[in-house]
Amino acid sequence: AQSVTQLDSQVPVFEEAPVELRCNYSSSVSVYLFWYVQYPNQGLQLLLKYLSGSTLVKGINGFEAEFNKSQTSFHLRKPSVHISDTAEYFCAVVSNDYKLSFGAGTTVTVRA
Amino acid sequence: GAGVSQSPRYKVAKRGQDVALRCDPISGHVSLFWYQQALGQGPEFLTYFQNEAQLDKSGLPSDRFFAERPEGSVSTLKIQRTQQEDSAVYLCASSSGKPTEAFFGQGTRLTVV
Repeated sequence: AQSVTQLDSQVPVFEEAPVELRCNYSSSVSVYLFWYVQYPNQGLQLLLKYLSGSTLVKGINGFEAEFNKSQTSFHLRKPSVHISDTAEYFCAVVSNDYKLSFGAGTTVTVRA
Repeated sequence: GAGVSQSPRYKVAKRGQDVALRCDPISGHVSLFWYQQALGQGPEFLTYFQNEAQLDKSGLPSDRFFAERPEGSVSTLKIQRTQQEDSAVYLCASSSGKPTEAFFGQGTRLTVV
């Protein structure tokens, strides 16, 4: 079975500073990897995904992530955050060809 | 509709009560998923439909949980004799094929008192 570990449960960051959210996965087969964002009392919104090809993936709202097969990682980055980026972020991997397995989430709090 | 719609958004149930949660997927999406998100945790898979066929229900936590999608569109997740541990946000997602393009609804927050 595939699983995901998000290494940071909470990340406080100042506005306009960079942020990195760490995600490691375990899998013995090809993977599809995702980052989702969840704003308070909302559903999940897809930020970006890695299916194949270039290991640097660009998503919405200025986020990007890099797939590193040797380190089994898929870390999410943004060079300059805004107050509106305050949210919960989830890393996920597909298993059984259709089932999303999510990490426990990272809470990002952006302060002025 | 433009997105996945779930109703109700909030539900408070007394312990032992039966509840039904509804999901309207994006029109034409053949795949439909239900996930359970406990407070402070990531979503956990419950069940998967392809059209009206329930292909995987391995995530349903007990036989009190039942899901259906009789016409391959709207789906209902039913929980019988609710318990406090059933309190969670229930998320529905749909896709035109595999979950690489899954779209999530806003969820139903169930509180069992």
